[in-house]
Amino acid sequence: GQSLEQPSEVTAVEGAIVQINCTYQTSGFYGLSWYQQHDGGAPTFLSYNALDGLEETGRFSSFLSRSDSYGYLLLQELQMKDSASYFCAVRVRTGANNLFFGTGTRLTVIP
Amino acid sequence: DGGITQSPKYLFRKEGQNVTLSCEQNLNHDAMYWYRQDPGQGLRLIYYSQIVNDFQKGDIAEGYSVSREKKESFPLTVTSAQKNPTAFYLCASSILPGQGFEQYFGPGTRLTVT
Repeated sequence: GQSLEQPSEVTAVEGAIVQINCTYQTSGFYGLSWYQQHDGGAPTFLSYNALDGLEETGRFSSFLSRSDSYGYLLLQELQMKDSASYFCAVRVRTGANNLFFGTGTRLTVIP
Repeated sequence: DGGITQSPKYLFRKEGQNVTLSCEQNLNHDAMYWYRQDPGQGLRLIYYSQIVNDFQKGDIAEGYSVSREKKESFPLTVTSAQKNPTAFYLCASSILPGQGFEQYFGPGTRLTVT
């Protein structure tokens, strides 16, 4: 089976940096993705890590350590619009893009 | 504009009735997925399809059925056998693995069964 752990809530100040951690236990692992979801909206893709290290995309970065079964999403220069839920998801099958999602971290950005 | 459409946005049904949720994509993606999301929870995979006329059960397929007669369409039927059908249903699509890993989501259908 699979399990993912991420904090349920995080609060941070506008302009600051916040890190959302994700630890996973899976029977197979091919990569870690991050998705953003605003209330009532559709999830949108942020990043994907298959190999150890840091991937940077604008204000967002994602890190993976396969040996530690751990990853994180780093959001810099926080903006009010970043208030949303953030989900880590593991790709668990070769030959498919099937994802197993964590329960999400609700980020609240305050002025 | 390319994208995924789901209709309707809100759906209300009486207990014991089957209901079909629509999902259409014009992204020319081979793979399509159905997820269920409950309040404060992550997404759970119901069914997925990687090619026309073929689909596989996900983690919570009981009480649901799907079809994939066309590449663009992947409707989900919530049957009366689903014990707790009230939820937010999300459809997604992607290109095949090896070419990319991003899933594109539709706006979702919020189903309420009373």
